[in-house]
Amino acid sequence: EAQVTQNPRYLITVTGKKLTVTCSQNMNHEYMSWYRQDPGLGLRQIYYSMNVEVTDKGDVPEGYKVSRKEKRNFPLILESPSPNQTSLYFCASRVGVNVQPQHFGDGTRLSIL
Amino acid sequence: AQSVTQLDSQVPVFEEAPVELRCNYSSSVSVYLFWYVQYPNQGLQLLLKYLSGSTLVKGINGFEAEFNKSQTSFHLRKPSVHISDTAEYFCAVALGGNTDKLIFGTGTRLQVFP
Repeated sequence: EAQVTQNPRYLITVTGKKLTVTCSQNMNHEYMSWYRQDPGLGLRQIYYSMNVEVTDKGDVPEGYKVSRKEKRNFPLILESPSPNQTSLYFCASRVGVNVQPQHFGDGTRLSIL
Repeated sequence: AQSVTQLDSQVPVFEEAPVELRCNYSSSVSVYLFWYVQYPNQGLQLLLKYLSGSTLVKGINGFEAEFNKSQTSFHLRKPSVHISDTAEYFCAVALGGNTDKLIFGTGTRLQVFP
């Protein structure tokens, strides 16, 4: 089954404690992306990657890092999380041709205390 | 600035009634347009997309949308809704044909009542 898998699905942690949210896709997609969803703001793009070792900033990259060492994985790293990063996070992927739709994971709900 | 506006944050409707969810965008360049649906505790699923050609686009689950360039709108419609259509709906725009950076609206919560 084609899917985008995020882990963990839920996490409560404290300010300053480094965390990583993993994202893996089994569709051999070139493009992957991270979004955060906040009430009243919709989805905002954090980072995206066109292929292995190619990443670029989205609209709200501050406080986040990403890496793309393998095609299937695109982890989101919060080196020093803060309460304003409490949000619902989604990973998405699509084939390289940009008219194709993005496939989304089921989301990761992060709470930073 | 380029933006996407979903005018209604919530739309309550009775089962089997028609519904329209509104989406307007502002852009000085050509656009691709999308509607996504988000069911509770799930990710976003593509309902339909407009890239070019016919301005009336049909999607999954009986939904359709019409691209109106002069009014910069892409409203989503369904002639008869079901309880199972209860979800959050997002309009999204790709500017200049570049879907690497989608701009999402703030979402419309459709609540269908029996």
